This record gives sequence, structure tokens and C-alpha cells, in this order.
Amino acid sequence: GAVVSQHPSWVICKSGTSVKIECRSLDFQATTMFWYRQFPKQSLMLMATSNEGSKATYEQGVEKDKFLINHASLTLSTLTVTSAHPEDSSFYICSARTTGGYYNEQFFGPGTRLTVL
Amino acid sequence: LAKTTQPISMDSYEGQEVNITCSHNNIATNDYITWYQQFPSQGPRFIIQGYKTKVTNEVASLFIPADRKSSTLSLPRVSLSDTAVYYCLVGAPGANNLFFGTGTRLTVIP
Repeated sequence: GAVVSQHPSWVICKSGTSVKIECRSLDFQATTMFWYRQFPKQSLMLMATSNEGSKATYEQGVEKDKFLINHASLTLSTLTVTSAHPEDSSFYICSARTTGGYYNEQFFGPGTRLTVL
Repeated sequence: LAKTTQPISMDSYEGQEVNITCSHNNIATNDYITWYQQFPSQGPRFIIQGYKTKVTNEVASLFIPADRKSSTLSLPRVSLSDTAVYYCLVGAPGANNLFFGTGTRLTVIP
């Protein structure tokens, strides 16, 4: 099956620093990748949709200058949390979609837990 | 986007069949119904998808009545490892902004 990896799986950083999270589709090409954020005991919230070679589309309320998304290739998308603050601490999950398979089927990565001190 | 409503939580004993119902009153003609499973600290995993009537795969069945305003995920003979949150999503093919509602937290009791 389609596998999506994320790196790192967890990260702890100081307030004010930037953190980059990588999302890779390991055995398929993903024209579209998605970034979600999930707070404890809550549902996933879509942050942005990224298409290879073009700018990401951000959901309402998500600061594009704070959450920088780059989808430079068909197998890699990155999310950079700039000037992170404690309220950015969350579980960040990426997903990727292929052209085949079920409609709207997204393959999710294992997630990255970000803790900002 | 059709919103969905699910029970917040359910408990079940091992070996029982579990049915989780999702309401989606505003489902559109070209919307499909998809269910995902999420374990703690992991990304969601696709379980099953359907458009109408009944769909069955190796892990679950999905029942969709004729009016498609609801759907029921059926998990046969659950085990402790089925303890997870189950999300019902509704969307048209190619939709980017899939809406994960509250989900249903299923706890399987020994």
C-alpha cells in the first residue's frame, strides 16, 4: 500500500525558533499533499493543501507566513513553523493523495508531535 | 461540504459487533462517504468507502440507506485493538478540504 513518512516524529524546541517537518510519499507520487493539526482529544483540522510546484492553499485562520509550506517535488512536502510559540504545540499530520484508488482517499503520515517550550 | 454528526463515544465488549452511525443530512448527489480509523498519536487510516447500499471489505461493512442521509459502519467481532477514534467523512471526488468531524471514540472492553 501507499506509505507516507514524516520526519521528525517528535521535536522539542524553544520559543522563537523555527522547526521544519518533512512529509514524504515513499512508494508513489503525490500531486497533492495536505497538512493537518490536531490538538489533544480533538479532531484533525486541515491547515493547508499543497500542490507540487505551486503555492499552498491555506484554510481560513491559518497564517501562511507562520506556517510555510513547500511542495518542491512529487514525493516531498515540508512544513516550517516559524517563530514557534507554546500555543503552536500540537500534533502535525500530513497526508498525500494519489491519482488512483478510492475517491478522496488520503494516505496519512504517522504525525509529528511538536512541543514548544 | 456536508457536515457529519456522530456519537462522541461508544463502549463495546470484545467479540461483539459494533455499529457506528453517522448523520449527513446535507449530502450532495456526487458525495461519497468515507470512514477513517485513528489510533492515538498516529495518522488516520482509510477503512472503507461507499456511495449507496452496502459495501464490505475485509475489516468492515458500510450500510447506506436509499436517502443517503446517514451511514453505518459495522465492525464485526471487535477486539481490544479496535479501540480507536472513527471518523465519517463526506465529500465529492477530488475534494481537497475533507472535514473531519468530532469522530467516535470506540473503547473495546475485555
